[in-house]
Amino acid sequence: DGGITQSPKYLFRKEGQNVTLSCEQNLNHDAMYWYRQDPGQGLRLIYYSQIVNDFQKGDIAEGYSVSREKKESFPLTVTSAQKNPTAFYLCASSTRDRNTGELFFGEGSRLTVL
Amino acid sequence: QKEVEQNSGPLSVPEGAIASLNCTYSDRGSQSFFWYRQYSGKSPELIMSIYSNGDKEDGRFTAQLNKASQYVSLLIRDSQPSDSATYLCAVNMFRAGTALIFGKGTTLSVSS
Repeated sequence: DGGITQSPKYLFRKEGQNVTLSCEQNLNHDAMYWYRQDPGQGLRLIYYSQIVNDFQKGDIAEGYSVSREKKESFPLTVTSAQKNPTAFYLCASSTRDRNTGELFFGEGSRLTVL
Repeated sequence: QKEVEQNSGPLSVPEGAIASLNCTYSDRGSQSFFWYRQYSGKSPELIMSIYSNGDKEDGRFTAQLNKASQYVSLLIRDSQPSDSATYLCAVNMFRAGTALIFGKGTTLSVSS
C-alpha cells in the first residue's frame, strides 16, 4: 500500500539532545513537508522540499534541520537550539502541481522533552 | 490580518443539523483550497478540495469558494456524532511554493 511512514510515533528527549524524526514515502511524490502542531493550534510549516537535494525554510525553521538526499526520504532533526520542541510533528507529501496538490500526511510523531 | 483565519469554536450542533464552517484567507492569488478533518491525536485527513468559484458537493459535504471575497466554507449536512472533530482550512499561497498554509482549525461538536 502506498503511503507515508513516520517513526518513531512517540519520542522522549532530554533537554540539550538532538533528535531525528524519520519520514519515508512510497507515493512517488516529488514534494515533502514537515509541520508542527501544538495543542489547540493548526499546523505550522517548518521546512519543505519540492525536489531532491533542495529544500526551503518554512515559517518556523529555527532550531530545525532537514536533508533530502533521496526522493523517498525527508528526515527532520530537532536540535538543541529549538527552545520549545515538545509538539506533534507531521510529515506530508504531494505532487509538485501548485494548482491541485493536496497533501498526504503520515501518522505523526509526538516528541516530548523531559 | 492572519493568512488563513478560522473561528476556533467550539461549534456545537445537534445531530441531523447543518454545520457551517468558515475560513478567510489573505493571498488574493491563491488557487487551491482544502478542508481537512482531524480527530484528536490523529493526523489530518482530506475531506474536500476546491479550486474554482462556486459550490462543490461530495456526499454530505459541500465546499463553497468565493475568490472575490477571499472566503471558503464547508457545510456538513445531516451532522453525525462521528463528525465531531477539528476542521482545518488549508490554502496554497505563492510564498510557500507547493506547501499549504493552515488555519488554526474549528472544533465541531455534534450532540446526539
